[in-house]
Amino acid sequence: AQSVSQHNHHVILSEAASLELGCNYSYGGTVNLFWYVQYPGQHLQLLLKYFSGDPLVKGIKGFEAEFIKSKFSFNLRKPSVQWSDTAEYFCALRGNQGGKLIFGQGTELSVKP
Amino acid sequence: EAGVAQSPRYKIIEKRQSVAFWCNPISGHATLYWYQQILGQGPKLLIQFQNNGVVDDSQLPKDRFSAERLKGVDSTLKIQPAKLEDSAVYLCASSLADRARDEQYFGPGTRLTVT
Repeated sequence: AQSVSQHNHHVILSEAASLELGCNYSYGGTVNLFWYVQYPGQHLQLLLKYFSGDPLVKGIKGFEAEFIKSKFSFNLRKPSVQWSDTAEYFCALRGNQGGKLIFGQGTELSVKP
Repeated sequence: EAGVAQSPRYKIIEKRQSVAFWCNPISGHATLYWYQQILGQGPKLLIQFQNNGVVDDSQLPKDRFSAERLKGVDSTLKIQPAKLEDSAVYLCASSLADRARDEQYFGPGTRLTVT
């Protein structure tokens, strides 16, 4: 079965704290992985993506994610969060043939100033 | 460049009524997707178009949902009759093509409340 699981429903951090959001997937084939972000009142935007090669990928706004094939994981990290990072974060996968994105349940991040 | 446009942004209807949503993708994008996002869940694909042909509608409840993309540009999604469980945000997305590395761009969504 193809699925994405995000373990944290709601994360609350203070500014300057480090962030790690978990994402695990199940997929029988070559996988492409994504993190999307939805800021309050805005549409879903791509944060970063992994297709192949270096398993550590960097995205916008200082975010990065590491693909660990043996653990079927693609965790999102940021060394120091800001209040403006308050948003909902979605991990997603897509097969190599294209088609739909399969999303996780999402993690709501609240950053306290 | 202009993003994906959707209307209306909000809609409240009673159960058993019908409703239609409209989507205008980014100019030149051949692939169009409709996703349903229920509160507390991630988006789930309802239907995917390549130009004006359907690529994937396996998760579309065809007894009540229908969608079309007649000229390969704009698309409409219809629900008739609506049920309480159809309350959700309906997201339209588009991409240049249907390749794994083609980014999907999302519209602002239509929030549907069925009472």
